Amino acid sequence: AQRVTQPEKLLSVFKGAPVELKCNYSYSGSPELFWYVQYSRQRLQLLLRHISRESIKGFTADLNKGETSFHLKKPFAQEEDSAMYYCALGGYQGGKLIFGQGTELSVKP
Amino acid sequence: NAGVTQTPKFQVLKTGQSMTLQCAQDMNHEYMSWYRQDPGMGLRLIHYSVGAGITDQGEVPNGYNVSRSTTEDFPLRLLSAAPSQTSVYFCASRSGQGVYEQYFGPGTRLTVT
Repeated sequence: AQRVTQPEKLLSVFKGAPVELKCNYSYSGSPELFWYVQYSRQRLQLLLRHISRESIKGFTADLNKGETSFHLKKPFAQEEDSAMYYCALGGYQGGKLIFGQGTELSVKP
Repeated sequence: NAGVTQTPKFQVLKTGQSMTLQCAQDMNHEYMSWYRQDPGMGLRLIHYSVGAGITDQGEVPNGYNVSRSTTEDFPLRLLSAAPSQTSVYFCASRSGQGVYEQYFGPGTRLTVT
């Protein structure tokens, strides 16, 4: 069955520290993976997609098919990075996305 | 473009009442979806549509109905509200071409007492 797992509910770091938000997936086909971010009481917005191999707001994520992971990383966290982060798996008919449980990132001054 | 819009932003219902959450998009997207967001459970797909006149069930469809009479609109109907349906509801849309990026609406916060 298709599944996305984000093992950490809450990740708390100090400003300037490195950040890694973990995401593991289970999918038998060719996955399309995304990271979405939700700032306080706002709508979800796309942060990264694996196919683009881009860096957005200093965040990067690499798809590791061997480990079935798509971890989100940033070398130096900023207070404005505090938000809820969701890993999502796509590639389905109908544009469906399977979301992980979400990780709340808290960056302290 | 307004993108994806949802109304109302907030709603309080009593158990047993019915209501419709509205969702509209002006991007001519073929695919539209409804999700509910609950603490510790992420977003779960309720229903989705691949085009006007075509809908299908997602992960948690019970207690909800949808229809897609136009490309722009995808309303979600709660038939008989229950406290378990207290949640934040997000509508999303995406193009049928290429990349699977979904665009989300601002959400409707529903409380059922």
